[in-house]
Amino acid sequence: DAGVIQSPRHEVTEMGQEVTLRCKPISGHDYLFWYRQTMMRGLELLIYFNNNVPIDDSGMPEDRFSAKMPNASFSTLKIQPSEPRDSAVYFCASSLEFGEAFFGQGTRLTVV
Amino acid sequence: DQQVKQNSPSLSVQEGRISILNCDYTNSMFDYFLWYKKYPAEGPTFLISISSIKDKNEDGRFTVFLNKSAKHLSLHIVPSQPGDSAVYFCAASGRRDSSYKLIFGSGTRLLVRP
Repeated sequence: DAGVIQSPRHEVTEMGQEVTLRCKPISGHDYLFWYRQTMMRGLELLIYFNNNVPIDDSGMPEDRFSAKMPNASFSTLKIQPSEPRDSAVYFCASSLEFGEAFFGQGTRLTVV
Repeated sequence: DQQVKQNSPSLSVQEGRISILNCDYTNSMFDYFLWYKKYPAEGPTFLISISSIKDKNEDGRFTVFLNKSAKHLSLHIVPSQPGDSAVYFCAASGRRDSSYKLIFGSGTRLLVRP
């Protein structure tokens, strides 16, 4: 398996634009997590899914953020409209029920 | 509120010596703990874990110790190698309440000097 795949690796966008981050989890994993890493807050959990169903989205900072998992092999994190303070590295991770989470390489988002 | 805390942002150790990274947690429902290692421009990679039914788990040069009464865990790396230089995150989850989300600490940057 190629591991968790995220795209794009880097995204630079202008304030106000819509941004969509994509993630392909490891096949067979039934948990998917979206994390955001910043200098100030470290690695913070935004939302996680179990069997494609959102379980806990309490970490989503604002209504501008939304996440979907239409099937077991794909998830998106969307920011609309984007703001400069959204600039961060966004990680997707997946896991089995009783196992460690495997992370993708992340998407570095810069909003100017 | 920070449920998982790593109070040392950085640590510098001589090659061959022991590195000890510490982590504290506040949520008594946490029963599974992990350490991750992160290099620049890469995602965190899993290193070692421990369940709350144990107080020690060892894997090669890496040992994790868990003190439940103190709500404290530590990662020992012996002997430390320059390639161990990275940011180390501890993480915790509470499986007993069916919460599988991992809560991370803020990380400790380890530098192993040759």
